[in-house]
Amino acid sequence: NAGVTQTPKFQVLKTGQSMTLQCAQDMNHNSMYWYRQDPGMGLRLIYYSASEGTTDKGEVPNGYNVSRLNKREFSLRLESAAPSQTSVYFCASTLSVRGGYTFGSGTRLTVV
Amino acid sequence: SQQGEEDPQALSIQEGENATMNCSYKTSINNLQWYRQNSGRGLVHLILIRSNEREKHSGRLRVTLDTSKKSSSLLITASRAADTASYFCATDVQGNKLVFGAGTILRVKS
Repeated sequence: NAGVTQTPKFQVLKTGQSMTLQCAQDMNHNSMYWYRQDPGMGLRLIYYSASEGTTDKGEVPNGYNVSRLNKREFSLRLESAAPSQTSVYFCASTLSVRGGYTFGSGTRLTVV
Repeated sequence: SQQGEEDPQALSIQEGENATMNCSYKTSINNLQWYRQNSGRGLVHLILIRSNEREKHSGRLRVTLDTSKKSSSLLITASRAADTASYFCATDVQGNKLVFGAGTILRVKS
């Protein structure tokens, strides 16, 4: 009963470094999402993939890229990390775009 | 700008009391959802109400939706210490993604 698995759980990067956040779901969900959560801001959508083979920008896509590797996996890449990208990142998935989402436990990223 | 805004930002009640949180939104929606987030954890889906529904119940949760006022409320009855968490409303805009509000922090004192 894994649900949505995110790795890593914690990461510290230096400004300018790159990294990829991994997300995998085992519920055969069609749609997957990447959000970031900052204090007092709620969750903001970075990118999403409504179905395998498609990706679209969300509210705050600048500085990020995504790959929908297959139906199970949706990765988020930071090419050149900036302190403004310090945040908690959540991956989510849903069977139907009009249904409830299942969230992962998050990746806490600090850029120094 | 955020589609959904919760009110109040923070709420502190005694165990056994009812907790009411409100959410207002700006544009037409297909559905509205409520999520709970315990400290340091991911969000958990609580309940979904469609735009053609006015009220929905799930256990101790009651959600209402007033599309004419573009608002929703979440009522938690007979609250418990374990209900201490942040609660978020999210609206399904354009049918393919959720937009979240900033959340209400609920503290239930035992």
